[in-house]
Amino acid sequence: SAVISQKPSRDICQRGTSLTIQCQVDSQVTMMFWYRQQPGQSLTLIATANQGSEATYESGFVIDKFPISRPNLTFSTLTVSNMSPEDSSIYLCSVESGGYDEQYFGPGTRLTVT
Amino acid sequence: GDSVTQMEGPVTLSEEAFLTINCTYTATGYPSLFWYVQYPGEGLQLLLKATKADDKGSNKGFEATYRKETTSFHLEKGSVQVSDSAVYFCALSQAGTALIFGKGTTLSVSS
Repeated sequence: SAVISQKPSRDICQRGTSLTIQCQVDSQVTMMFWYRQQPGQSLTLIATANQGSEATYESGFVIDKFPISRPNLTFSTLTVSNMSPEDSSIYLCSVESGGYDEQYFGPGTRLTVT
Repeated sequence: GDSVTQMEGPVTLSEEAFLTINCTYTATGYPSLFWYVQYPGEGLQLLLKATKADDKGSNKGFEATYRKETTSFHLEKGSVQVSDSAVYFCALSQAGTALIFGKGTTLSVSS
């Protein structure tokens, strides 16, 4: 398994501002994923981030709104840009580790936009 | 595309009751199947997995069997505890791709 940390754990932001969420893994991993969990809902994939290539975004998510960096095999950032109250969610990063498609999740970043 | 359907909640049980949470999937090929659990205020934890037909995943008294003929992966526990109160997510993954989640089932166990 992998141990994943995220910063910040929570934040309250004003609309129109941006927040960058950091994800740090204790081992080198090829694939990292960013998910969004809206209040009371399931998880929705935002994008897949592989080191050395551009992130791949899912339908409904665009790079201008959610730019992602993946500078090395243990770290990634997700920025939520020009925020609106609809962006209030928990944002989670996950990595594939241990084989057999196992994915492990960070503790999440709880974002509230006012 | 691939998808996961799980029973709607909430599920409310008394301590020591038997638990079943139904999960069915639609997928091409041979996905891996997972159950994740999210305790109140906490992150998502991998509960158990199965990677091929007829595999049984188990952990903490929970079990689920990969049934290809019925495309199901139902979660069961013989005797639930108050500490099992959480949201349970069924999910699938094809090799090298992100997880596809069901909508989640909230379990509430009372003493």
